[in-house]
Amino acid sequence: NAGVTQTPKFQVLKTGQSMTLQCAQDMNHNSMYWYRQDPGMGLRLIYYSASEGTTDKGEVPNGYNVSRLNKREFSLRLESAAPSQTSVYFCASSEWSGDLSGEQYFGPGTRLTVT
Amino acid sequence: DQQVKQNSPSLSVQEGRISILNCDYTNSMFDYFLWYKKYPAEGPTFLISISSIKDKNEDGRFTVFLNKSAKHLSLHIVPSQPGDSAVYFCAASARGNNDMRFGAGTRLTVK
Repeated sequence: NAGVTQTPKFQVLKTGQSMTLQCAQDMNHNSMYWYRQDPGMGLRLIYYSASEGTTDKGEVPNGYNVSRLNKREFSLRLESAAPSQTSVYFCASSEWSGDLSGEQYFGPGTRLTVT
Repeated sequence: DQQVKQNSPSLSVQEGRISILNCDYTNSMFDYFLWYKKYPAEGPTFLISISSIKDKNEDGRFTVFLNKSAKHLSLHIVPSQPGDSAVYFCAASARGNNDMRFGAGTRLTVK
């Protein structure tokens, strides 16, 4: 089992360019998440998908869109990248009972630089 | 508004001694707490969790303590080993809510 995979591992964008970060999990989890990690800020939730067909905003959704393509895949899109979006992006998945979220399993991250 | 706070950015401990990492939270609705460990260039990995109905949970060398009245939890690692050197994140969520909040992390160095 690969767990949670993310592509690409590294990306450099110019201001105004767009890109999509891909994430896939093979653990049959129903919930998936996108976080960004910035120095001194920990991990901040961008968007999450509690189950296939649903998405919700997290703590810092502005400038991002997401798509839950199927149960396995959850993508994050930056329509017009800004330098403030320079960060490390993590995708995660978990089993959601409808009551409490189980522990989340994280991918290796995508390091994005916007110049 | 950081609802989960880890006020110590770093901690250095001698091998074999106890490491104590602290975490405070402000949202009284949080009732499930987790600790994650992160090595450089890797994603965080789950370490241990505790629900609000307990005040202690142990797993081998790792013990998490929860003080609900103080809105405080701590992670104890005994004995500390060099391989424990990593960044530790505290996280919290509320029942019925899929939104998990993380602290800023504490970098533990075991020498």
